[in-house]
Amino acid sequence: GDSVTQMEGPVTLSEEAFLTINCTYTATGYPSLFWYVQYPGEGLQLLLKATKADDKGSNKGFEATYRKETTSFHLEKGSVQVSDSAVYFCALSDSETSYDKVIFGPGTSLSVIP
Amino acid sequence: DAGVTQSPTHLIKTRGQQVTLRCSPKSGHDTVSWYQQALGQGPQFIFQYYEEEERQRGNFPDRFSGHQFPNYSSELNVNALLLGDSALYLCASSLTGSHGYTFGSGTRLTVV
Repeated sequence: GDSVTQMEGPVTLSEEAFLTINCTYTATGYPSLFWYVQYPGEGLQLLLKATKADDKGSNKGFEATYRKETTSFHLEKGSVQVSDSAVYFCALSDSETSYDKVIFGPGTSLSVIP
Repeated sequence: DAGVTQSPTHLIKTRGQQVTLRCSPKSGHDTVSWYQQALGQGPQFIFQYYEEEERQRGNFPDRFSGHQFPNYSSELNVNALLLGDSALYLCASSLTGSHGYTFGSGTRLTVV
């Protein structure tokens, strides 16, 4: 079945450092890909998405490019802030085969220190 | 515009009891999905409701059941609670054919 794999955390970075969180997926169809963020004690918020190959999703300085050839959707940010500390989930949805069901990776915890 | 609202926010139940969690979807959304998120893990899909019927189901036992009402709101019921059912239960709404969910803040269920 469809699945998502993410790099294990926790990840600890200094403020203004470059961030990469790796994500790869397995899917039978042509899924949409997402990054969600969860701040402590809260639900999940959609950070960015890409719906087809070579699309780049971007939001709040974060970006990720849908790479079909490597089945990847790595999250990057050029300069992280303390307020970016959260858990980040890579996810996919194959609306052709599963009616928009979203499958999540295990999450990567990010801590940014001043 | 209200997003997804869930109630209650926190709940403590005793093993063997039954619980009902509630969700009101974002205005304009017609699909409600429920997820279980254990501590330190990603959300696991329980089931999805559309047009008042269960459209998809994840790998959860029949103790987990749900309902969707004509106004698109939804309930999640869990019978015969086990300690392992302790988790954050997330409701997500979407418009069929769109890409991505809007999540509520969740209900934290503790089974003792």
